[in-house]
Amino acid sequence: KAGVTQTPRYLIKTRGQQVTLSCSPISGHRSVSWYQQTPGQGLQFLFEYFSETQRNKGNFPGRFSGRQFSNSRSEMNVSTLELGDSALYLCASSLAGVGLEGFFGPGTRLTVL
Amino acid sequence: QKEVEQNSGPLSVPEGAIASLNCTYSDRVSQSFFWYRQYSGKSPELIMSIYSNGDKEDGRFTAQLNKASQYVSLLIRDSQPSDSATYLCAVDAGTASKLTFGTGTRLQVTL
Repeated sequence: KAGVTQTPRYLIKTRGQQVTLSCSPISGHRSVSWYQQTPGQGLQFLFEYFSETQRNKGNFPGRFSGRQFSNSRSEMNVSTLELGDSALYLCASSLAGVGLEGFFGPGTRLTVL
Repeated sequence: QKEVEQNSGPLSVPEGAIASLNCTYSDRVSQSFFWYRQYSGKSPELIMSIYSNGDKEDGRFTAQLNKASQYVSLLIRDSQPSDSATYLCAVDAGTASKLTFGTGTRLQVTL
């Protein structure tokens, strides 16, 4: 069974640009959660989607947004990038919610210059 | 007060010893508790889940949960150098759609 895939794996952007990250969950999983991981803050919850609906959202500014498609693939978008957005962005998939065992993808390493 | 607290370590144990990792949480409505292992440069890997008070064993790993004390722990028996990693405690926020993570405990298993 294929695991969670994330694309791209690495990304370098400059301040003010926008970026879109993609996550394909494990086959059959309908929940996709996104997290930001930085050395100082650890893993911070961004949002969770289930059956194309956002069920929960973390304390991030509106520049961070996401969506989920009917095939459960999810994208997150960050607009007007700031230096502080440099981080590892992880998505986790699970059958019905990450609180019921979530499996992480390899992550996208975003560097903002 | 942080919602999920872990000692950052490093926790150093000799090969073959028992490593004990601890985690406390603040939200009494939490029902699901997880331990993830993260190697440097890699993504977190789920190693244990526990939902009821008591112990749950899986191979060399034992998770312990005490909801009254809001405490969850992970024991690693017969520690191996390959167990050297950061261990993240995660707790649901009263809903299956969100996990709150501790900042992790770095474990070093020495030869």
